[in-house]
Amino acid sequence: GAGVSQSPSNKVTEKGKDVELRCDPISGHTALYWYRQSLGQGLEFLIYFQGNSAPDKSGLPSDRFSAERTGGSVSTLTIQRTQQEDSAVYLCASSPPQPYSGNTIYFGEGSWLTVV
Amino acid sequence: GENVEQHPSTLSVQEGDSAVIKCTYSDSASNYFPWYKQELGKRPQLIIDIRSNVGEKKDQRIAVTLNKTAKHFSLHITETQPEDSAVYFCAAIGTNTGNQFYFGTGTSLTVIP
Repeated sequence: GAGVSQSPSNKVTEKGKDVELRCDPISGHTALYWYRQSLGQGLEFLIYFQGNSAPDKSGLPSDRFSAERTGGSVSTLTIQRTQQEDSAVYLCASSPPQPYSGNTIYFGEGSWLTVV
Repeated sequence: GENVEQHPSTLSVQEGDSAVIKCTYSDSASNYFPWYKQELGKRPQLIIDIRSNVGEKKDQRIAVTLNKTAKHFSLHITETQPEDSAVYFCAAIGTNTGNQFYFGTGTSLTVIP
């Protein structure tokens, strides 16, 4: 597609439920990132996929969070047993194998998660 | 991996004045430095970037400078306008980090009319 696509754009869930957030990166982009952003805060790194390499999971805040990327393309971020503090915007981004001016990291519109 | 620090965290300027945001990085192998602007409720979008083989790049009212020796780079916005109000993020990538992007913590810029 033309850009990074995320779904759902908005999700309201009850505390304790599981949620899945989907990201479809730009075609040809081998790298994919998930970030979390709370209101007025910066970009909190969650996980990074690069091609067939082992993902960098160092940013996942707890074992309730997991992500996978199937076939080197679409990624799903799963949050189990959601808590109110999980409420945030979840941003996905993708980048090409060799980023450079004009061909760099691009963000999706984000999935706005509200846990009630 | 890379460590990117960004200052200040908040910045207020009068309309028409200049704004400068600074970032430092730790990995001397980093070779590409983009800047992103995030307006309220929207996604971060690229506004300017620089590669390590140049020292300065300009695009109308915005410019980025890079000092490889000191490992810092800066965003300069001249003749600021209210629509420049946003959060700005710097980033760095390098071959030692597998071309992974590392972002600064962001600067919230407010331009006062």
